[in-house]
Amino acid sequence: GAVVSQHPSWVICKSGTSVKIECRSLDFQATTMFWYRQFPKQSLMLMATSNEGSKATYEQGVEKDKFLINHASLTLSTLTVTSAHPEDSSFYICSALDRGLSYEQYFGPGTRLTVT
Amino acid sequence: QKEVEQNSGPLSVPEGAIASLNCTYSDRGSQSFFWYRQYSGKSPELIMSIYSNGDKEDGRFTAQLNKASQYVSLLIRDSQPSDSATYLCAVINEETSYDKVIFGPGTSLSVIP
Repeated sequence: GAVVSQHPSWVICKSGTSVKIECRSLDFQATTMFWYRQFPKQSLMLMATSNEGSKATYEQGVEKDKFLINHASLTLSTLTVTSAHPEDSSFYICSALDRGLSYEQYFGPGTRLTVT
Repeated sequence: QKEVEQNSGPLSVPEGAIASLNCTYSDRGSQSFFWYRQYSGKSPELIMSIYSNGDKEDGRFTAQLNKASQYVSLLIRDSQPSDSATYLCAVINEETSYDKVIFGPGTSLSVIP
């Protein structure tokens, strides 16, 4: 299957700082990338959908000014958590698909964010 | 009504048995169906996709789709302890969803040695 990388795999930051997470599709061009958040023992929660070169579409309840998403190319999307607070501590996972091939989503390994 | 429903479990089966995981969906226009496996603390990985009514087999895994009943299932034969994970059903209506696959809440499977 297709490979999606995510960096960093874990990060600890202080409250009030910003953190950027990168998501890359390594062997295919991703027409669409998704960002999810998952709290312990809970379901995946879709935060936003991004298409290359256009603004991300955020799910209801997700603050677009707090979670900045940039999908600058067909292989790279970034999520920036701005002014992070302890309640933003979570497991952030990206996924990507090439709708020209199929709607199979391939997930990155995830980034565990801890805000102290 | 939730768009994709799954029994949350946990579903416990003895090693070597068949594990049966079920999923129902509400959008009758859905065309593509997926099963993902998620180990604790890890991200989901795609294990099966199915697009037509009937069965699709891949090794110990068989996906079954019945569009008339809006039902998709995953059978795991000869279950192993390494199959213990949460299984996510995912569905998409390509015509209306803007690429967004809808995930169910997942079923936790525990295979007892």
